Amino acid sequence: AQSVTQPDIHITVSEGASLELRCNYSYGATPYLFWYVQSPGQGLQLLLKYFSGDTLVQGIKGFEAEFKRSQSSFNLRKPSVHWSDAAEYFCAVGGLQGAQKLVFGQGTRLTINP
Amino acid sequence: ETGVTQSPTHLIKTRGQQVTLRCSSQSGHNTVSWYQQALGQGPQFIFQYYREEENGRGNFPPRFSGLQFPNYSSELNVNALELDDSALYLCASSQPGQGGYGYTFGSGTRLTVV
Repeated sequence: AQSVTQPDIHITVSEGASLELRCNYSYGATPYLFWYVQSPGQGLQLLLKYFSGDTLVQGIKGFEAEFKRSQSSFNLRKPSVHWSDAAEYFCAVGGLQGAQKLVFGQGTRLTINP
Repeated sequence: ETGVTQSPTHLIKTRGQQVTLRCSSQSGHNTVSWYQQALGQGPQFIFQYYREEENGRGNFPPRFSGLQFPNYSSELNVNALELDDSALYLCASSQPGQGGYGYTFGSGTRLTVV
């Protein structure tokens, strides 16, 4: 069965500092991997996705993620965070067969210190 | 291009009652998925509809049911509401074949069961 673990429930960083959010997945084949962001009272916005090819994926808002098959990880990074990046971040995995169902992690809440 | 619209945005129901949540798909999208997001958790897949047929279902009891209409809008119905059904319900529309998993999420309906 597919599963996603986000080890950090809450992370606080200073504005301008670098950021890395961790994500580990469990899946029996090559997965589709996603990072979504959710602001309070809002739905989910796709930051980036990995299907195949280059393991370093660029997304919107200056985010990137790296797929590491050997570590079953798909960590999200940003070199310099802005106060507007404060939100909840979700990693998700999807399979190739059947319904396009996403399995989400528990989420990491990001707080930005001024 | 319109996004995904969900209604109502908030509602309060009493345990044992029935509720219907509505979702209008993004223009051109023929697949609708529903997710339940409990407080502090990641979204969980309820089911997906493609061309008015259920196309996959998560681990939810039969009292969770859905419909998709010819215009690709959708309803989520929950019977015999329980306190644990209190959550944010997210609808996402997509168009299979265009990169896969091209979800657009709505802002959700916040259901409170008392």
